[in-house]
Amino acid sequence: NAGVTQTPKFRILKIGQSMTLQCTQDMNHNYMYWYRQDPGMGLKLIYYSVGAGITDKGEVPNGYNVSRSTTEDFPLRLELAAPSQTSVYFCASSKKTSGGVHSGANVLTFGAGSRLTVL
Amino acid sequence: GQNIDQPTEMTATEGAIVQINCTYQTSGFNGLFWYQQHAGEAPTFLSYNVLDGLEEKGRFSSFLSRSKGYSYLLLKELQMKDSASYLCAVRDRNQGGKLIFGQGTELSVKP
Repeated sequence: NAGVTQTPKFRILKIGQSMTLQCTQDMNHNYMYWYRQDPGMGLKLIYYSVGAGITDKGEVPNGYNVSRSTTEDFPLRLELAAPSQTSVYFCASSKKTSGGVHSGANVLTFGAGSRLTVL
Repeated sequence: GQNIDQPTEMTATEGAIVQINCTYQTSGFNGLFWYQQHAGEAPTFLSYNVLDGLEEKGRFSSFLSRSKGYSYLLLKELQMKDSASYLCAVRDRNQGGKLIFGQGTELSVKP
């Protein structure tokens, strides 16, 4: 099993450029997430999805967009890159447990991360 | 909203025991997680607590007190490879079940 696969691993963007970070998982997980991690700041949730066709904002959604057309894929789009978006981005997924959305030990499996620099 | 606090960094000696604390404030607590993250790598799951008490997994144990909004991760017989960042995360049923992370505690294990 590949688990959670993110591409690219590294990218340098100029201010105002756009790009998409790709994320795919092969574990048939319902839930998928995008986090960003700045030095010494922990993980901040950008967007998440509880299933195909459903997305919702996290703590820091501004400047980003997502879509979830299939169970496997959850791409993150940056439309107008800004230096403040320089960060390491992690995609993660978890399965839906019995008892509904709000219960259970939904352990997150993370991708290897994508390091983005905006100059 | 949620507020999660943990120390920024800690140092301990190889072979010793270290306790990393985490305090949280949340309206609909539905579980607390500990993750380990080595430098330049993705976080990996360590432990999960949803009821009060101690969960033991080999050299690692995690404790939860829901009434105090408090958890700790206990690492015994420290090894050099335990040098990493340890992330405390809380799930809140009133926040759509999202997992919110603290800033992480950077642990340095010295010989």
